[in-house]
Order: sequence, then C-alpha cells, then structure tokens
Amino acid sequence: EDQVTQSPEALRLQEGESSSLNCSYTVSGLRGLFWYRQDPGKGPEFLFTLYSAGEEKEKERLKATLTKKESFLHITAPKPEDSATYLCAVQAPANTDKLIFGTGTRLQVFP
Amino acid sequence: DAMVIQNPRYQVTQFGKPVTLSCSQTLNHNVMYWYQQKSSQAPKLLFHYYDKDFNNEADTPDNFQSRRPNTSFCFLDIRSPGLGDAAMYLCATSRDKGGGQTQYFGPGTRLLVL
Repeated sequence: EDQVTQSPEALRLQEGESSSLNCSYTVSGLRGLFWYRQDPGKGPEFLFTLYSAGEEKEKERLKATLTKKESFLHITAPKPEDSATYLCAVQAPANTDKLIFGTGTRLQVFP
Repeated sequence: DAMVIQNPRYQVTQFGKPVTLSCSQTLNHNVMYWYQQKSSQAPKLLFHYYDKDFNNEADTPDNFQSRRPNTSFCFLDIRSPGLGDAAMYLCATSRDKGGGQTQYFGPGTRLLVL
C-alpha cells in the first residue's frame, strides 16, 4: 500500500536554529513528491515539486531534497513566521490524480 | 493574481440539512479536486473533475456529490450532513491530468454541523 510518513510530528525551534523535516514514502514508481505549507484554518500553500532522486529545490530559507525512499525539508535560520504545518504528498502510478498526504510536521519557531 | 477561491470560508448547517460549498478558479486549469481534511489529519481526496469527466474515489460516501457547470466553477453538495462530516473542505486545481502535475489549493471552507 502506498504510504507517506512524516517525522517528527511536532518540532519547536528557536529563531535561527536550523533543522530538517523528514518525509518517508513507500511508493513504487514515484511520479512526484510535493511539499506544502499549511497555516491554521487555511488551505495548503504549494512550496516544491520533486520528481527524481538527487533533485533539490530552494526557496528563501527552505530547501527540499529527494532520495529513493525519503525527502527532507531543510529550514535554515528559521524565523517565527515560518511557524506552520508542513505537509508532504506523493503521486503514485496507480492513481496519478490523487495526492497521498502525510499527516504533517507542526513547526513552531519562537523568538 | 490567478487563484482558487472558496465560498463561504465558514459554513454552519444543521444535521441532515443539505449544504453546498463552492469553488472557483481563475487559473484556467482543466482539473478540479475536492478534499476533506479533519482536525489534525491529512487531506483526503473525495473526487475530481477532468474537464466535465467526473471521477469518484471508491471510498467517498454517496452523501457527497459534485457538479462542475463550467471550467471555472465546481460545487460540493452534501445531501444529508452528519456530525462526522464536520471538517475543512479544500478545493484544488491542476493544469492537467497525469503524474507530476502540481495541485494548487484554495483557502478552504470549514463546515460545522449542529
């Protein structure tokens, strides 16, 4: 069964303290891996799409990387405004129209 | 700015009283999706439209229906809401079908069932 597992469930960081969020997946023939940011009471905001192992994408303080079994979202020198839930989702060949989401990592960055 | 719009942002209904949620998009995307997200859970796909072609997920209850009258609009109808249907309902769009297509989400409608 295609599955996505995110860890940790929650992460508290001090402002400026860099860290990484993990997304591991069990999907044969990955068609795409997606990172979203979700603020409380709002819809997911698209961050990155990764397609193949070795690929990396960056945006401001965020950098996403992909291997054959997992993806990391690295946060460098986070600020309080980076506080949110970060969702990882994959597409599998069996149903490429469906995003299979993990339950997210809830990140809190305090001053 | 091109975007996905959902109305209303908050909807309160009574147990068993039909309710309709709406979604519109200015991205001119071919595919529109409806997801259900319960508190602290991952979003779960209910169904999607590719143009006018409707695709229902196998485990979506019959209580949930959808309509797409044109490219820009899509509606989610809940025929007889139960307490378990209280959730955030998310509309998303993608340019086309197939692997690797990025889905863009609206702000969501939070449904409360009394």
